[in-house]
Amino acid sequence: NAGVTQTPKFQVLKTGQSMTLQCAQDMNHNSMYWYRQDPGMGLRLIYYSASEGTTDKGEVPNGYNVSRLNKREFSLRLESAAPSQTSVYFCATAQTYEQYFGPGTRLTVT
Amino acid sequence: QQQVKQSPQSLIVQKGGISIINCAYENTAFDYFPWYQQFPGKGPALLIAIRPDVSEKKEGRFTISFNKSAKQFSLHIMDSQPGDSATYFCAASIRIESNFGNEKLTFGTGTRLTIIP
Repeated sequence: NAGVTQTPKFQVLKTGQSMTLQCAQDMNHNSMYWYRQDPGMGLRLIYYSASEGTTDKGEVPNGYNVSRLNKREFSLRLESAAPSQTSVYFCATAQTYEQYFGPGTRLTVT
Repeated sequence: QQQVKQSPQSLIVQKGGISIINCAYENTAFDYFPWYQQFPGKGPALLIAIRPDVSEKKEGRFTISFNKSAKQFSLHIMDSQPGDSATYFCAASIRIESNFGNEKLTFGTGTRLTIIP
């Protein structure tokens, strides 16, 4: 029972490159979320999926796209990475009030 | 617009002392107020949470005090221990869809707590 897993753990991109961050959960939760964490900014919601087949924008969606592939998987895509997207990215899942977070992906864009 | 304001940004407390972290919110539609604890290199984990219909909730050494009229809530850590050294985030949520019972969290900016021996 792995809970929430994220891949990769670390990634370095050059400006303009694209990549997809993967998140998978084995908790059978309906809702999944992508956050970014920056020093002094807390965690900010990028996109969320309240259930399989639905996605919606959060507080900071610009420059990102998401796919809810099935109930288990929720991916975050950066089409053209920018230095401002250097951050730690967390995936989370929830069935009711409590959100469960993955270990994070540390992304650096140079 | 920051909807949840957290203070202080950092806090140093002597072992055995009381750590207090404060949060204030603006949106009266918030209906769930959790605190998350995060250790370096890890994701946040739920520590304790409160609904707005109660003024206090205690779990072990951790207590949330909630003041609905002032739109403020705080985390108190009694008998603080070095193992409590972590970053703490308050949060508040609004229901996404009532039939799913899921919440969209708005986080404070975090408090780095250091407990010194």
